[in-house]
Amino acid sequence: DGGITQSPKYLFRKEGQNVTLSCEQNLNHDAMYWYRQDPGQGLRLIYYSQIVNDFQKGDIAEGYSVSREKKESFPLTVTSAQKNPTAFYLCASSIDLGGQYSPMNTEAFFGQGTRLTVV
Amino acid sequence: AQSVTQPDIHITVSEGASLELRCNYSYGATPYLFWYVQSPGQGLQLLLKYFSGDTLVQGIKGFEAEFKRSQSSFNLRKPSVHWSDAAEYFCAVVRINSGGSNYKLTFGKGTLLTVNP
Repeated sequence: DGGITQSPKYLFRKEGQNVTLSCEQNLNHDAMYWYRQDPGQGLRLIYYSQIVNDFQKGDIAEGYSVSREKKESFPLTVTSAQKNPTAFYLCASSIDLGGQYSPMNTEAFFGQGTRLTVV
Repeated sequence: AQSVTQPDIHITVSEGASLELRCNYSYGATPYLFWYVQSPGQGLQLLLKYFSGDTLVQGIKGFEAEFKRSQSSFNLRKPSVHWSDAAEYFCAVVRINSGGSNYKLTFGKGTLLTVNP
């Protein structure tokens, strides 16, 4: 079955350490996204990528980094510069970023999330 | 700035009762609208979407939503709620600029639905 796989489901990190969250999709989608979810805050966009080797900052990119070396993969690194990294992280993908005549391509498909806790 | 407002943080209904979850957006042009549902500790699942055409859209699990341009709203409804509908619901809007290349998907802060037996 096609879908998005995030791993691990739970992740613990010591303060000062970098940690990388995995996101893989087999939907053949061009666009991929990372969101952060905090209670009562909804989803906030960290980074997104519309094509291999290209990515853009979202609303809360500080303290995070990404790479897009393969179409299927979009890993997120939470660096030690992120002041409050404890959160639920969601990866998503869509056919592409859409356009004036193809808005339906923006429909986002989500992974099951990774809960990161700093200890 | 584009925004999505879900006025109700938490709603409690009895099983079998009707449900309406509110969503308002602020955006000048026609937005593209989505409703997602999230069970605890899980990802988001798409319930329904509106791009154009008929303003009343049907989704999965018996949900429907109506786009009202005059009220800048896209409220989610269900005639009879089941206990399994207890979850958090998110409204989202995407804007695509005239050049077709700028992407912005914005989520509301969510409405938590509790269903009493």
